[in-house]
Amino acid sequence: GENVEQHPSTLSVQEGDSAVIKCTYSDSASNYFPWYKQELGKGPQLIIDIRSNVGEKKDQRIAVTLNKTAKHFSLHITETQPEDSAVYFCAASISTGGNQFYFGTGTSLTVIP
Amino acid sequence: ETGVTQTPRHLVMGMTNKKSLKCEQHLGHNAMYWYKQSAKKPLELMFVYSLEERVENNSVPSRFSPECPNSSHLFLHLHTLQPEDSALYLCASSQVRGLEQFFGPGTRLTVL
Repeated sequence: GENVEQHPSTLSVQEGDSAVIKCTYSDSASNYFPWYKQELGKGPQLIIDIRSNVGEKKDQRIAVTLNKTAKHFSLHITETQPEDSAVYFCAASISTGGNQFYFGTGTSLTVIP
Repeated sequence: ETGVTQTPRHLVMGMTNKKSLKCEQHLGHNAMYWYKQSAKKPLELMFVYSLEERVENNSVPSRFSPECPNSSHLFLHLHTLQPEDSALYLCASSQVRGLEQFFGPGTRLTVL
């Protein structure tokens, strides 16, 4: 089955700096890659996703890049703010006929004011 | 607010108790999921229901029993749990299996 690895497990940045979280996957058939943000006491919330026919997607301060050849994808947060502090999870799945999301182990991001 | 609600938010139970977790989605989705979230581990998919039919059971112990009476409601019945079952149990739903899952806030379960 699919194996998703996520790094780093913890990340601290100064407010205003950028943060980058990286994930690798093993199954070349995976074609849907969502990113979730989980704040304390809440469930994961989808913040951005990318499909394998796209190399990059951006939504305001958040962007995701995908390298299908190398089987890795990354989350980029620019101009970080204290409210960006949370645990971020990546996932991979096969969107056509699939039902399994394979999640990474999470990155705890702390933005220092 | 994602449109997926879970009750109770916190539950403490003994190993001989029987309890149920409830999930309700208000998004008109066709698929619903139960996940277990433990510290330092990836989210573990437990069960998947699509159009009220169970389509996935990832080797979950029989002390966990899901029920999906309709496309908006999902239950997880618990009995004779073990302390290692203590975790955050998350419900999610999606319009199509494999895409854009929306999570509820979870039930924090503690088994004594």
